[in-house]
Amino acid sequence: QKEVEQDPGPLSVPEGAIVSLNCTYSNSAFQYFMWYRQYSRKGPELLMYTYSSGNKEDGRFTAQVDKSSKYISLFIRDSQPSDSATYLCAMSGQAGTALIFGKGTTLSVSS
Amino acid sequence: DAGVIQSPRHEVTEMGQEVTLRCKPISGHNSLFWYRQTMMRGLELLIYFNNNVPIDDSGMPEDRFSAKMPNASFSTLKIQPSEPRDSAVYFCASSLEVSSKGRYEQYFGPGTRLTVT
Repeated sequence: QKEVEQDPGPLSVPEGAIVSLNCTYSNSAFQYFMWYRQYSRKGPELLMYTYSSGNKEDGRFTAQVDKSSKYISLFIRDSQPSDSATYLCAMSGQAGTALIFGKGTTLSVSS
Repeated sequence: DAGVIQSPRHEVTEMGQEVTLRCKPISGHNSLFWYRQTMMRGLELLIYFNNNVPIDDSGMPEDRFSAKMPNASFSTLKIQPSEPRDSAVYFCASSLEVSSKGRYEQYFGPGTRLTVT
């Protein structure tokens, strides 16, 4: 079992839809959880950062962490064609250490 | 801030040649990471440094790979000799470590796309 599992998709939705992206993990020591967005042929761009459990909201994006279930989610409200990208979840146990990544979910938002 | 800078952006080389990838982290960041991204395996850590000291190189595939960080503003990843299976996108990332329960964000460079023929 990989440490971080993420459904690769692809996920296709119409503009304006609510998108839910998810990852599960096996290492209970993970405390730092991040979501990155990666456009084709670009570097990963940090979207959201969460420490431990709970929710965090930033504009149209909401990140949720459920440590009891070892499950994290990213919600995108009112999705836009510009949200079309690959979304990577990442996590680590300590600040300053390497991130363990999911393989990414490819999202396509059609207008 | 210019962000993490990597060079070259693209590299095409022949099998057996030496390849050197370069990275300039964000000023003030004290941790630097080298990752490799492939379709099959996704993003995987190769090595990371904290305060210029290598901390974890368990992801370095074999002795053909080496990395250095001579100062806080520069790092290199060298492959010698290169092989076709090294073809991938290599990312450098940097972060600023703070005390526990503080912020921890890693920022990535644009990557170097390496093709070994």
